[in-house]
Amino acid sequence: EAQVTQNPRYLITVTGKKLTVTCSQNMNHEYMSWYRQDPGLGLRQIYYSMNVEVTDKGDVPEGYKVSRKEKRNFPLILESPSPNQTSLYFCASRSGQGTRGDTQYFGPGTRLTVL
Amino acid sequence: AQSVSQHNHHVILSEAASLELGCNYSYGGTVNLFWYVQYPGQHLQLLLKYFSGDPLVKGIKGFEAEFIKSKFSFNLRKPSVQWSDTAEYFCAVIFSGTYKYIFGTGTRLKVLA
Repeated sequence: EAQVTQNPRYLITVTGKKLTVTCSQNMNHEYMSWYRQDPGLGLRQIYYSMNVEVTDKGDVPEGYKVSRKEKRNFPLILESPSPNQTSLYFCASRSGQGTRGDTQYFGPGTRLTVL
Repeated sequence: AQSVSQHNHHVILSEAASLELGCNYSYGGTVNLFWYVQYPGQHLQLLLKYFSGDPLVKGIKGFEAEFIKSKFSFNLRKPSVQWSDTAEYFCAVIFSGTYKYIFGTGTRLKVLA
């Protein structure tokens, strides 16, 4: 089954404790993204990757890092989480790099709370 | 700047009422347009998309949307909503020359049984 998986689904942590949220897709997609969803703000892109070893900042990259060492995996790293990073995070992937209406597939989400 | 607007933030309807959710975008060039739905506690799923051809697009679960280029709009419609349509709906646009989805802020729809 074609899917995007994320782990963990729920995480409560404390300020400053490094964490990683994993993301994996089994559709051989080139393009992957991380979003955060906050009430009233919709989805905002944190980082994206157009292929292995190619990553770039989205709209709200501060406080986050990513890596793309393999095509299927795109982990999100919070080196020193802060309470303003409490949010719902989604990983997404899609095929190709064009603007030809590629459907984006979303993971189930990770609800992060930073105390 | 490229942007996507959804002016209805919250909509409450009774079952069998008709639905129209607005989506407008800022740019006049070629665009690809999407509507996604997020049911409570779930991830986003594609409802429908437009990238060329007939501007009236039919999607899943009886939803449709019409692309009106002159109004930079892509409104979502459903003739008769059901309680199970309670969800948050997001419009998204890919602007020509970019690879990036830009999402609207979403519309929360509540359908009363």
